[in-house]
Amino acid sequence: NAGVMQNPRHLVRRRGQEARLRCSPMKGHSHVYWYRQLPEEGLKFMVYLQKENIIDESGMPKERFSAEFPKEGPSILRIQQVVRGDSAAYFCASSPRGGFGTDTQYFGPGTRLTVL
Amino acid sequence: KQEVTQIPAALSVPEGENLVLNCSFTDSAIYNLQWFRQDPGKGLTSLLLIQSSQREQTSGRLNASLDKSSGRSTLYIAASQPGDSATYLCAVCNTDKLIFGTGTRLQVFP
Repeated sequence: NAGVMQNPRHLVRRRGQEARLRCSPMKGHSHVYWYRQLPEEGLKFMVYLQKENIIDESGMPKERFSAEFPKEGPSILRIQQVVRGDSAAYFCASSPRGGFGTDTQYFGPGTRLTVL
Repeated sequence: KQEVTQIPAALSVPEGENLVLNCSFTDSAIYNLQWFRQDPGKGLTSLLLIQSSQREQTSGRLNASLDKSSGRSTLYIAASQPGDSATYLCAVCNTDKLIFGTGTRLQVFP
């Protein structure tokens, strides 16, 4: 059973470009979480999704950031018009069930975004 | 608002020592608490998960305790090894999200 897959592992964008980060959850997991780790800071929750639904986006910046988890295919975190402050490691996690904290969240290796 | 604090921020010890890493949280209404390990430039590896109804969990040389009423958890590492060098993160689960501490950076030297 492959773990959580994220790609690309490293992404370089120039200011103003778009960044698309992909996450494939573990087989059998239908709950996906995105976290961001800014340099020298802890991980911060961004968004929690189930298939075709955003459950909690309380940690998402109000502008330029969006996330989806379609019926087929990976979850996508999209950042439009990137700025230098978006440079960070973005981690995806998945669990078989969501809510109520009963399950371990399994983390992917992360995508390291660098904005020039 | 839940806040998670880890002490110490960094720790350097010789091989073989027994270690205690501390985690405190401000809101005791949690579902569970997890300890993770993060190696430089890598993802997170889950070490131990303690449900809110539990007091401790053990895995090999690791033991984690939870005192929900006082808002504290400790991770005990027995007989530390150089391979234990990493950043250790604790995270509490409030409903659907994990709230992380800033971590303890551990270095174990031979």
